[in-house]
Amino acid sequence: QVQLVESGGGVVQPGRSLRLSCAASGFTFSNHGMHWVRQAPGKGLEWVAVIWYDGNYKNYADSVKGRFTISRDNSKNTLYLQMNSLRAEDTAVYYCARDLGSGWMYYFDYWGQGMLVTVSS
Amino acid sequence: SSELTQDPAVSVALGQTVRITCQGDSLRTFYAGWYQQKPGQAPVLVIYGKNNRPSGIPDRFSGSRSGNTTSLTITGAQAEDEADYYCNSRDSSGNPGVFGGGTKLTVL
Repeated sequence: QVQLVESGGGVVQPGRSLRLSCAASGFTFSNHGMHWVRQAPGKGLEWVAVIWYDGNYKNYADSVKGRFTISRDNSKNTLYLQMNSLRAEDTAVYYCARDLGSGWMYYFDYWGQGMLVTVSS
Repeated sequence: SSELTQDPAVSVALGQTVRITCQGDSLRTFYAGWYQQKPGQAPVLVIYGKNNRPSGIPDRFSGSRSGNTTSLTITGAQAEDEADYYCNSRDSSGNPGVFGGGTKLTVL
């Protein structure tokens, strides 16, 4: 069965960096685009970033552009999100999610359990 | 602010039919996805595209579109359908990855 397991979250001071990982199993990882979606406490869903199946295309929400970098290692079936210059407003549960297709569909058919990132001094 | 607008809250009597809507100019062109999220859990895709249900989603869930409004209909709502529901599609410029603000569904 499809599984997505995030790791790397925690508490970090403003301006510092953090890297999230998402280990995938149960499907051919290199066939699917992957996304990060976040949810601030008590708020709605916000799409963060996408990377296509082969890693050759990436796109970001304006709120994180220039600070966050999405990447993947298809040999390790793992997705990453490098988060730099973190701000208090980045505090959220971060989900990795599988694209229904190669990365262009933006329908998220499987989600990880979520990883809380808290940005606070 | 989101370019996809949802009613904050909707209620339905057990066993009755409820429609949850999502409005936006982009929806005249693009289809939406619908997600169900229960407290403390990750979202689940329940409808995508014109009216497609992922494997394992009950057939009481269906989708439709009219003009700038896309709807998720639950026919014969069950207690376990009580959750937050989010639509996602594109903004008015065609940029993907936009979510509606969410609708809290209460089953009475």
